[in-house]
Formats: sequence, structure tokens, C-alpha cells
Amino acid sequence: QSALTQPPSASGSPGQSVTISCTGTSSDVGGYNHVSWYQQHPGKAPKLIIYEVSKRPSGVPDRFSGSKSGNTASLTVSGLQAEDEADYYCSSYAGSNTWVFGGGTKLTVL
Amino acid sequence: QVQLVQSGAEVKKPGASVKVSCKASGYTFTSYGMHWVRQAPGQRLEWMGWLNTGNGNTKYSQKFQGRVTIMRDTSASTAYMELSSLRSEDTAVYYCARDWFWSTYYWGQGTTVTVFS
Repeated sequence: QSALTQPPSASGSPGQSVTISCTGTSSDVGGYNHVSWYQQHPGKAPKLIIYEVSKRPSGVPDRFSGSKSGNTASLTVSGLQAEDEADYYCSSYAGSNTWVFGGGTKLTVL
Repeated sequence: QVQLVQSGAEVKKPGASVKVSCKASGYTFTSYGMHWVRQAPGQRLEWMGWLNTGNGNTKYSQKFQGRVTIMRDTSASTAYMELSSLRSEDTAVYYCARDWFWSTYYWGQGTTVTVFS
């Protein structure tokens, strides 16, 4: 149950797009379409922004999108806004009622 | 509306145990599983385990196997997470989070557990 691999940091200017990757194995990311993404602001609980690879919960702007290819999932944030600056975590179902999180990516809006 | 309300902050000595509660409201408690996730200061989210609230079955992360116990009281719509043999590295915010489409949409407010001598 090793953590999924994310880049420690990412950045972009307002209005730009940024993509964050999340690499796992065939036992988690590659094996199931149960990849989620969470946004976490300092001192707050995580907020679900993408589930089942590419679905958005109600109220999440369509600037957030998700995809997956093989063992790597990706989160794209388009039209960056200042409030998007936060930590982002991916998570995947890993079989047998276990889940795993990524190491987290700190997104900076320049 | 769905709410998960956790118990208050705890301070424990190394070697002790801590039990955190998570009271659910706004839905049928036994219809959705419950996860426990922790986050040490400045560190990543870490999945600890999952509870089938319907039948009480559990699944734990290998990292915590043997030290963590997750249980529930269906009459009180409350889930519990007990962590034993505490060490300083267990200092963290502990969250409960409800199942939602193979992810977790609803989260508790977090419980800070501090371990120091």
C-alpha cells in the first residue's frame, strides 16, 4: 500500500491551465475507475472535487477536470484563479476495501 | 443535511491509547461505510481504515494493522477509531469521512491528537 506518486508542487498564472499527475500501479489507479481528487486549504478538511476519475460533485466548477491513462490519473485546473491555490491529493481504491492517497501537490497561483 | 461531528482534541502520553468518535446525522448510518484518515502536521493525507457500518466488518491499512481498531454503535449512529501504543509520530489530525461513490464527500471537522511526554 505505497502512496500514489504526485509532484510536490505545481504552479501557474491566473487564467492559465495546470495539470497534476498521480501515478500508481495496476493494483490501484490502473485497476479501477475509482480515482478521486481532493482540494485542501490550510487548516481545513479536504474537499472532494473529482470522483470516479472524471465526475464532478455538484457545485464544483467545470474548470476542474479529471482523466486517467493506464496507471496515471491527472487533474487539470483551467482558468486558474487565486482561490485555487491549495494542496491537492489524489486517492484511489486499491481493492479489498482499501484505499490509498497520493503524496499531495501544492498548487501555487503566481 | 449530512453531518459528521467528531470528539474534541486529545493529549496523550507515549504508549497510551486514544479513542476518537464520529457522530453521524442526516442520513441512515448503516447505509454508508466510514473511513478514517489522518494527517500529521505538514504531511500528506493517510488512509487508516474502513468500516462497514452495516455489519461491522473492517479493513485496515497495513501500516496500522494491530494498532488500530474501528468500531461502531449503530444505536448512537457513531463510529469510533481507537489507536494504541501511541508515539510522537502519531501526532496528527484524525478525520472520519463517509463513503460516497468510492470516494469520500462528507468529512468530519477533524480531531487533533497530540502525543508528547
